Amino acid sequence: GAVVSQHPSRVICKSGTSVKIECRSLDFQATTMFWYRQFPKQSLMLMATSNEGSKATYEQGVEKDKFLINHASLTLSTLTVTSAHPEDSSFYICSARDWQRPFGGYTFGSGTRLTVV
Amino acid sequence: GENVEQHPSTLSVQEGDSAVIKCTYSDSASNYFPWYKQELGKGPQLIIDIRSNVGEKKDQRIAVTLNKTAKHFSLHITETQPEDSAVYFCAANSISNSGYALNFGKGTSLLVTP
Repeated sequence: GAVVSQHPSRVICKSGTSVKIECRSLDFQATTMFWYRQFPKQSLMLMATSNEGSKATYEQGVEKDKFLINHASLTLSTLTVTSAHPEDSSFYICSARDWQRPFGGYTFGSGTRLTVV
Repeated sequence: GENVEQHPSTLSVQEGDSAVIKCTYSDSASNYFPWYKQELGKGPQLIIDIRSNVGEKKDQRIAVTLNKTAKHFSLHITETQPEDSAVYFCAANSISNSGYALNFGKGTSLLVTP
């Protein structure tokens, strides 16, 4: 089955520093990847959609300069949280979509728990 | 954009009983409706999905029904087991700014007691 690898699974960083999260599709090509954020006991909120080779599209209220997304290849997208602050602490989840499947084909990573201290 | 409502937020059933979770969506263009199970600290796992041209789909103890006219779909779990305890999310696809992103309901915390 389709597998999406997300790293790191947990990261603790100091306020003001930047953190990069990687999302890789291991056995399929993903022209589109999605980044979600999930606060405790809440739902997944879409942050941005990235298409390979083009700029990411951000949802309303998401700061593009703070959450930098790069989708440089068909199997890799990265999310960089810049100048992190404690309020950025959250569970970040990526999803990759298999371009060969007209329906469905969404596979989720295992998530990254970010704690900013 | 797409708005997905999910009920109930919590559900407690006894082992062996059935559990039903219901969702509604707002975007008539949505044509794909997956259900995910999420365990603590993990990413969501697809358990079943349905396309808009199908009214019902079943996979062993799990079934999903879709009423496209009313814009609602439901998850049915029969013969529940303690290992079914988790948070379940419904979702619907929608044309976001640049792709058919999934929009999620708020989740249902299911507890199956032995």
